[in-house]
Amino acid sequence: QKEVEQNSGPLSVPEGAIASLNCTYSDRGSQSFFWYRQYSGKSPELIMSIYSNGDKEDGRFTAQLNKASQYVSLLIRDSQPSDSATYLCAVGSASKIIFGSGTRLSIRP
Amino acid sequence: DAGVTQSPTHLIKTRGQQVTLRCSPISGHKSVSWYQQVLGQGPQFIFQYYEKEERGRGNFPDRFSARQFPNYSSELNVNALLLGDSALYLCASSSQGVGVAGELFFGEGSRLTVL
Repeated sequence: QKEVEQNSGPLSVPEGAIASLNCTYSDRGSQSFFWYRQYSGKSPELIMSIYSNGDKEDGRFTAQLNKASQYVSLLIRDSQPSDSATYLCAVGSASKIIFGSGTRLSIRP
Repeated sequence: DAGVTQSPTHLIKTRGQQVTLRCSPISGHKSVSWYQQVLGQGPQFIFQYYEKEERGRGNFPDRFSARQFPNYSSELNVNALLLGDSALYLCASSSQGVGVAGELFFGEGSRLTVL
């Protein structure tokens, strides 16, 4: 079992719709959770961090955390073509952060 | 303010050679982590250093080593290069200390090609 699992996609979403990205993790002791965006050929860029159960909103982005289900999600509202990228879920415990393999998101006009 | 800087940005080596990659963290950040990313995969954790001490190590062979200097910059060394070491090597810095994995901020990476 992978430590952090994501559906590789591609996930195709029409422009203006809501994109929903999901992630599960195996370590129940995990304390911190992150979503990164990575454009092709570029390095990962932090979008959101979340540390406690519930929802956290930042502009068009909402991160959701459910520690009991070991589940993290990212919602992107009013999806734009510039949102087309690979989205990496990352989970932190103690002194290391483990990344999933990423979900490729494509926003279609 | 400068972000995380890495050098070199691109390099080509042959099998069996050794390589040193360098990283300067964001000013004020004392933690540096190294990741390897091969095409189509997420970053794989190699090392974390905080206050010049190794605080975490991923599942990589002993050919991989690193160190952190008093100014918090870091080097990653890879000996006896294999074709499979070809990847993007990412350095990330964090303001968090030990015990809490905080937000990572990445440099642009060093792309290593082993022929």
